[in-house]
Amino acid sequence: KAGVTQTPRYLIKTRGQQVTLSCSPISGHRSVSWYQQTPGQGLQFLFEYFSETQRNKGNFPGRFSGRQFSNSRSEMNVSTLELGDSALYLCVSSPTGDGYTFGSGTRLTVV
Amino acid sequence: KNEVEQSPQNLTAQEGEFITINCSYSVGISALHWLQQHPGGGIVSLFMLSSGKKKHGRLIATINIQEKHSSLHITASHPRDSAVYICALNTDKLIFGTGTRLQVFP
Repeated sequence: KAGVTQTPRYLIKTRGQQVTLSCSPISGHRSVSWYQQTPGQGLQFLFEYFSETQRNKGNFPGRFSGRQFSNSRSEMNVSTLELGDSALYLCVSSPTGDGYTFGSGTRLTVV
Repeated sequence: KNEVEQSPQNLTAQEGEFITINCSYSVGISALHWLQQHPGGGIVSLFMLSSGKKKHGRLIATINIQEKHSSLHITASHPRDSAVYICALNTDKLIFGTGTRLQVFP
């Protein structure tokens, strides 16, 4: 069965730009969560979407947003990029919020 | 107190050595994940455990639910095993450990 697919795998953007990352969960999984891992830091929770609704949100500024489509695919967007947004962005899917499957991540570099 | 603690934080080994990485936690869980991340790379899921022991090649993961403790063992370690190993707890959310950085030298 196909895993959690994150695209793109690598991305370079300039300060001030905006970026959209995509995550396709396991078929049948309705929950998609996003995490940020900055150099030297652990994985920090960004938000969780379940059936197209944001169910939980971490402590990140409003520049970070997301959405989920009716097919459970999710996108996250970061506007007005800062150097500190350079990180690995990890998508995790689950059927209901348990039984997690991990994507491999999108590595964003802001220059 | 952190809900999950990994030890050691850093580990160096010679090729061929037996490696043990530990994960202790203080909350109730339905399962525990072991993840691998090579330098500059993405996340690879190694194991999901809810009880007992699992083995995949040279990797063995064990969990003791009563003791709230899990270990990841690498037998006959190799330089390509050099990576950060992260444990993550399945609760009503995912709780990640801070990782163990392993370096294996030839």
